[in-house]
Amino acid sequence: EIVMTQSPATLSVSPGERATLSCRASQSVSSDLAWYQQKPGQAPRLLIYGASTRATGIPARFSGSGSGTEFTLTISSLQSEDFAVYYCQQYNKWPPGTFGQGTKVEIK
Amino acid sequence: EVQLLESGGGLVQPGGSLRLSCAASGFTFSSYAMSWVRQAPGKGLEWVSGISGSGGNTYYADSVKGRFTISRDNSKNTLFLQMNSLRAEDTAVYYCAKGDYSILSWLDPWGQGTLVTVSS
Repeated sequence: EIVMTQSPATLSVSPGERATLSCRASQSVSSDLAWYQQKPGQAPRLLIYGASTRATGIPARFSGSGSGTEFTLTISSLQSEDFAVYYCQQYNKWPPGTFGQGTKVEIK
Repeated sequence: EVQLLESGGGLVQPGGSLRLSCAASGFTFSSYAMSWVRQAPGKGLEWVSGISGSGGNTYYADSVKGRFTISRDNSKNTLFLQMNSLRAEDTAVYYCAKGDYSILSWLDPWGQGTLVTVSS
């Protein structure tokens, strides 16, 4: 089973600053990596798929990069609505489609 | 607009059964793989089960294999999750989510979730 490890667990950032979230896979998942955003009481929302392709309607301040085992989600200038928990998910090998444990982005 | 609406959650005793449904609209349901993902209170996301568009291929996490059964009725655009022999650790919000043409895909969108509580 592929294990996805996200870091840091919590990221404290001021509005307007840049946030960089990391996701590491225990073995190569090629570019089969997605990022999701989840706000309290809401379902997860797809941000990025294919490691770097923004989903429909996702602002350009969200960008993804990486391949193989190392991936990064960057939020270029944090807005108030971006404070949330972010999950990565690999879909290279099933079952299961494993998720990382999440990174909480909080207001500094 | 793609919409997914789960139902069927509730309180059930350990060892009991529950059947979740997910009504889909806004896309050609039979063309897409679907998945169930759960989230225990205060915890992260756990993929539970997936099914191909035709329903011919199904996949389960080890934690539910042999107890849960995923199915779909493409004539009614509805996804199901039959949950038997429920345990306290199955307590979670259960989300249905649309995949891509392949079962190996990202998930988008997700339903609003339905809460399953397993307790005596």
